[in-house]
Amino acid sequence: DGGITQSPKYLFRKEGQNVTLSCEQNLNHDAMYWYRQDPGQGLRLIYYSQIVNDFQKGDIAEGYSVSREKKESFPLTVTSAQKNPTAFYLCASSMETGGTNEKLFFGSGTQLSVL
Amino acid sequence: SQELEQSPQSLIVQEGKNLTINCTSSKTLYGLYWYKQKYGEGLIFLMMLQKGGEEKSHEKITAKLDEKKQQSSLHITASQPSHAGIYLCGALPSGAGNDMRFGAGTRLTVKP
Repeated sequence: DGGITQSPKYLFRKEGQNVTLSCEQNLNHDAMYWYRQDPGQGLRLIYYSQIVNDFQKGDIAEGYSVSREKKESFPLTVTSAQKNPTAFYLCASSMETGGTNEKLFFGSGTQLSVL
Repeated sequence: SQELEQSPQSLIVQEGKNLTINCTSSKTLYGLYWYKQKYGEGLIFLMMLQKGGEEKSHEKITAKLDEKKQQSSLHITASQPSHAGIYLCGALPSGAGNDMRFGAGTRLTVKP
């Protein structure tokens, strides 16, 4: 089945530790995204990528890093510089880049908590 | 930047009742997307509206975009427990691109 797979479902981070969230898609989509969702709030855009080896900062990129070495993969690293990392992280992908019809397909999310 | 404001923040309705959720933009919308999220899961695309006055329906859910393209409503007829979840509206600030922004969402509870 085609889709987006996020792993792990739950992740715990210790103080000063970097953690990496995985996102893989087999939809052959060009664009991929990372959003953060806090309780009672909508999704906030962290990073997005329109093509391999290229990515753009969203509204809250500080304390996060990404890479796009393969079309299928867009991992997100939450660095120790991110002081409030506890949140639900959602990865998404879409077929078009720069278009006007951006239907997003989402993974099932990763809940990150700080120990 | 474009702000999307949703109302109400939460809604509790009795099964079988109709309800409406609103999404208002601070700028003209080039396209408005509605998504649904079950608790602890990803979002599922419902509908997209692009033209002023446009209306789309899927099963018991109808979405409209006003003529000025600054407000959209999502109407559910004869609500069922399966309609429960968080409804979010999204939009592209410039009308094109890959930087979709979302409203804060409306949490819908349907009481059997």
